[in-house]
Amino acid sequence: GENVEQHPSTLSVQEGDSAVIKCTYSDSASNYFPWYKQELGKGPQLIIDIRSNVGEKKDQRIAVTLNKTAKHFSLHITETQPEDSAVYFCAASKGYKLSFGAGTTVTVRA
Amino acid sequence: GAVVSQHPSRVICKSGTSVKIECRSLDFQATTMFWYRQFPKQSLMLMATSNEGSKATYEQGVEKDKFLINHASLTLSTLTVTSAHPEDSSFYICSASEGAGAHSGNTIYFGEGSWLTVV
Repeated sequence: GENVEQHPSTLSVQEGDSAVIKCTYSDSASNYFPWYKQELGKGPQLIIDIRSNVGEKKDQRIAVTLNKTAKHFSLHITETQPEDSAVYFCAASKGYKLSFGAGTTVTVRA
Repeated sequence: GAVVSQHPSRVICKSGTSVKIECRSLDFQATTMFWYRQFPKQSLMLMATSNEGSKATYEQGVEKDKFLINHASLTLSTLTVTSAHPEDSSFYICSASEGAGAHSGNTIYFGEGSWLTVV
């Protein structure tokens, strides 16, 4: 099955700086790569996603890049704010199931 | 955007009893819904795939007789934890996708989750 690895497991950044989270996947047939933000005690919230026919996608301060050859994708958050503090999960899918990374706890220091 | 709703958000039940958690897609029809379990500080673990009008598909190691899943309509899937025990205490999350799922171009949305505590 699909194996998704996510790094780093924790990330602390100064407010205003950028945060980057990287994920790799094993199944070259995967074609959908969403990113979720999860706050304590809540369900995951989709923040951005990318499909295999696109190399980069941006939505305001959030961007995702995809390198299908290397089988990795990354989340970039610019101008971080305290409300960006949460756990972020990457995922990969080739069918209807999602395979999740282990998560990255992001802390934005004021 | 699409919304997936779960109910209840928190439930406490006595050991040995059963508890039902509902997952609803509010503004789209979901042929397929998914149930996950999440332990503190861990990632989401897929338990089963719920298919409207047919039996659920369970992941390896998940007891189908303990975690009963019913997907009776295109907007509702239920997870029933039968004969609950303290070790079943966890955060249960559902997700849903419109149409045939992510590979066909549909986005997967998650519910807010349900905290189950078995005492």
